[in-house]
Amino acid sequence: QVQLVESGGGVVQPGKSLRLSCATSGFTFNLYAMHWVRQSPGKGLEWVTVISFNGNDKFYADSVKGRFTISRDNSKNTLFLHMNRLRAEDTAIYYCVRVGVEEEFGYWGQGTLVTVSS
Amino acid sequence: EVVMTQSPATLSVSPGDGATLSCRASQSLNSNLAWYQQRPGQAPRLLIYGTSTRATGIPARFSGSGSGTEFTLTISSLQSEDFAVYYCQQYNNWPRTFGLGTKVEIK
Repeated sequence: QVQLVESGGGVVQPGKSLRLSCATSGFTFNLYAMHWVRQSPGKGLEWVTVISFNGNDKFYADSVKGRFTISRDNSKNTLFLHMNRLRAEDTAIYYCVRVGVEEEFGYWGQGTLVTVSS
Repeated sequence: EVVMTQSPATLSVSPGDGATLSCRASQSLNSNLAWYQQRPGQAPRLLIYGTSTRATGIPARFSGSGSGTEFTLTISSLQSEDFAVYYCQQYNNWPRTFGLGTKVEIK
């Protein structure tokens, strides 16, 4: 079955960088677009970024544009999120998400918590 | 961006009763609307996509309807595991956007 396992979260100071990873299994990774979605503590869901199946196309939310970079390694079935110049408002659980039958968010990882604090 | 407005924010329901959750989009979505359930401490789970298609393994008591800018999630005969937060989300436009959620709580 589809499995998405995020890692790399932790506590980081404002202005610093962090890289999240999402190890996938149970499906042909290089056939699917992948997203990151985040959720601030006690808040709702916010779409962050998407990467096409081959990595050629990427889109970002305005709130992270220019600071975050999404990438993928199709040889290792792994998705990444490189986060630079982190801010307190980036504190959230970050979910790795695979699209479903259409472009809905069909499969979610368990999430990894990023806390930006001095 | 497409603004998604969910109502009510909180819905108090007795077990066994039905519940109707609403979602309004600021522009037409061409049926590209999904619903998710999130239980405390868990990741969201896809319930409905394409406005009305249940995802794999989702019980028939969950149904979605609507068109254009007005959408509804109906839960018939709520079970204990259905008390959770429900989000609608549009995938017709970029950026993808979610509503703020409806919390379904035990009355």
